[in-house]
Amino acid sequence: ETGVTQTPRHLVMGMTNKKSLKCEQHLGHNAMYWYKQSAKKPLELMFVYNFKEQTENNSVPSRFSPECPNSSHLFLHLHTLQPEDSALYLCASSQAGTENGEQYFGPGTRLTVT
Amino acid sequence: RKEVEQDPGPFNVPEGATVAFNCTYSNSASQSFFWYRQDCRKEPKLLMSVYSSGNEDGRFTAQLNRASQYISLLIRDSKLSDSATYLCVVQEGKIIFGKGTRLHILP
Repeated sequence: ETGVTQTPRHLVMGMTNKKSLKCEQHLGHNAMYWYKQSAKKPLELMFVYNFKEQTENNSVPSRFSPECPNSSHLFLHLHTLQPEDSALYLCASSQAGTENGEQYFGPGTRLTVT
Repeated sequence: RKEVEQDPGPFNVPEGATVAFNCTYSNSASQSFFWYRQDCRKEPKLLMSVYSSGNEDGRFTAQLNRASQYISLLIRDSKLSDSATYLCVVQEGKIIFGKGTRLHILP
């Protein structure tokens, strides 16, 4: 596989469920990102990892919990979500050890919270 | 003033025409600039970086005006496949995406 992959592509979950989103990059990058994209809003950066270390957490509620076991994999663990958390969740990766605007995105997970 | 602003459009442009849109940013210390395109229900894809001297990639030209704090994207000889939302990205340490400008190329 090439590029950045994300699974699942679609997810419907109830507010009491626990689920995880997975991202994998095959580009040899060392920075990975989680974004949230809601309708009519700009992309919102949630978390940044550089060399497996979290370097940014943009005031994201604790019901979103990231995990980065290595530079190629990134997870977003979800629990007790709210309906307003329904959105497209995008993973991205880039070169360099700091936030880099040249990013490669995965296809996203479209999440619906019921 | 918002950190990164774009005209949401839509810009409805006939095929073959030239179209340009701008993106303004508020932080004069911003360091790097990019244009992405996002097709409907798809992920954003990097279109081009924007260099201080301006840069061109085929039909696409990007320019930076630091004095007035905006970047621009010019598309010449537009194609139907250029229809998309174009996102401006400004890096000032942190990365900030604009809301995007919707472009419709009309046959």
